[in-house]
Amino acid sequence: EAGVTQSPTHLIKTRGQQATLRCSPISGHTSVYWYQQALGLGLQFLLWYDEGEERNRGNFPPRFSGRQFPNYSSELNVNALELEDSALYLCASSYGGPRISNTGELFFGEGSRLTVL
Amino acid sequence: KNQVEQSPQSLIILEGKNCTLQCNYTVSPFSNLRWYKQDTGRGPVSLTIMTFSENTKSNGRYTATLDADTKQSSLHITASQLSDSASYICVVIPQFYNQGGKLIFGQGTELSVKP
Repeated sequence: EAGVTQSPTHLIKTRGQQATLRCSPISGHTSVYWYQQALGLGLQFLLWYDEGEERNRGNFPPRFSGRQFPNYSSELNVNALELEDSALYLCASSYGGPRISNTGELFFGEGSRLTVL
Repeated sequence: KNQVEQSPQSLIILEGKNCTLQCNYTVSPFSNLRWYKQDTGRGPVSLTIMTFSENTKSNGRYTATLDADTKQSSLHITASQLSDSASYICVVIPQFYNQGGKLIFGQGTELSVKP
């Protein structure tokens, strides 16, 4: 069974540009989560999508946005990039909708490393 | 404010030795607590999960304990191996997480196992 896949693995941008990161969840999972992990820091919650809708959002400015497609894949967009946006962006998936559990079992991808110069 | 604090921030041990990582939390009410292992540059992988009513859970050389009264959890690693070098993250799942809540992540403990 394929795990959560993310692309690109690495991305280099300059300040002010836009970045788009993509995530494909495990087959059968309808919930997708995005986290930011800056160097040496813990995971910071960005966004949670379930069955195409945004379920929750972390404390990030509006230039961080995303969407979930009908096939449950998702993309994260970061506009007007700033130097402090440099981080590992992790996507995770889980069962959602009526099958969502309260065990917090997330399956993470390998992440996309964004570097802003 | 719901928080999860881990200690130590980093730890260096020799191969074959045991170690214990600590997690203190203020999340209330909570339903579950997980420990994740994150290899450098990789995504976290779940090691153990414990409900508030469980005291201990083992997964091979990893043993997690939970004291819901003192709101403390620990992860004990026995007979450490070089492959145990990673960041270990404590995650608390709030009681109503499945209704739109957020997982509460600790900052992680960076473990380095030396030969």
